[in-house]
Amino acid sequence: GESVGLHLPTLSVQEGDNSIINCAYSNSASDYFIWYKQESGKGPQFIIDIRSNMDKRQGQRVTVLLNKTVKHLSLQIAATQPGDSAVYFCAEIGGGFKTIFGAGTRLFVKA
Amino acid sequence: NAGVTQTPKFQVLKTGQSMTLQCAQDMNHNSMYWYRQDPGMGLRLIYYSASEGTTDKGEVPNGYNVSRLNKREFSLRLESAAPSQTSVYFCASSEFYSNQPQHFGDGTRLSIL
Repeated sequence: GESVGLHLPTLSVQEGDNSIINCAYSNSASDYFIWYKQESGKGPQFIIDIRSNMDKRQGQRVTVLLNKTVKHLSLQIAATQPGDSAVYFCAEIGGGFKTIFGAGTRLFVKA
Repeated sequence: NAGVTQTPKFQVLKTGQSMTLQCAQDMNHNSMYWYRQDPGMGLRLIYYSASEGTTDKGEVPNGYNVSRLNKREFSLRLESAAPSQTSVYFCASSEFYSNQPQHFGDGTRLSIL
């Protein structure tokens, strides 16, 4: 499939290890945040979201942490699997419901 | 469950040609969006339709037009294609124009020579 994001930061992890992907967001007034996963040749797929009144939210094998003080968002993937290899990007939604997407991080999982 | 369907998946155009990218969603969503994705950059909003009957410009609307044909369909038209419009185009939808995730199609890969 076609590659998107040819010059993205890259994270390489061993299968079974935990992955942490970071995102710095821009607008201190943003009050809703989303992580998406994008596989090669596919559209972005929703993973998990968090609202600004929370600092942590857990899903199946994924956890999102929000630090509003430093405008930082992270996605933790437990027991990373080869199927987790993709580009991950965060999105923030602020006033007027405008969504700002980050450029993303490419995750490689080594078997 | 198809979700968001985009056609065509690939297209090559010559400079100055026109074409329409089609998008349809079957989730009864009210809001629909068109984005472009370029290497090393985040998705950039071209146009959106918060509800049937309305359309608004996004971040990069120049060179594009849209039509919200009905609740299901939202098309993007390039009237006179330029090489700078070479990109991957994504259509997305959400139940409402609010704090909620969007559902994306698998994109149209457009090359303009």
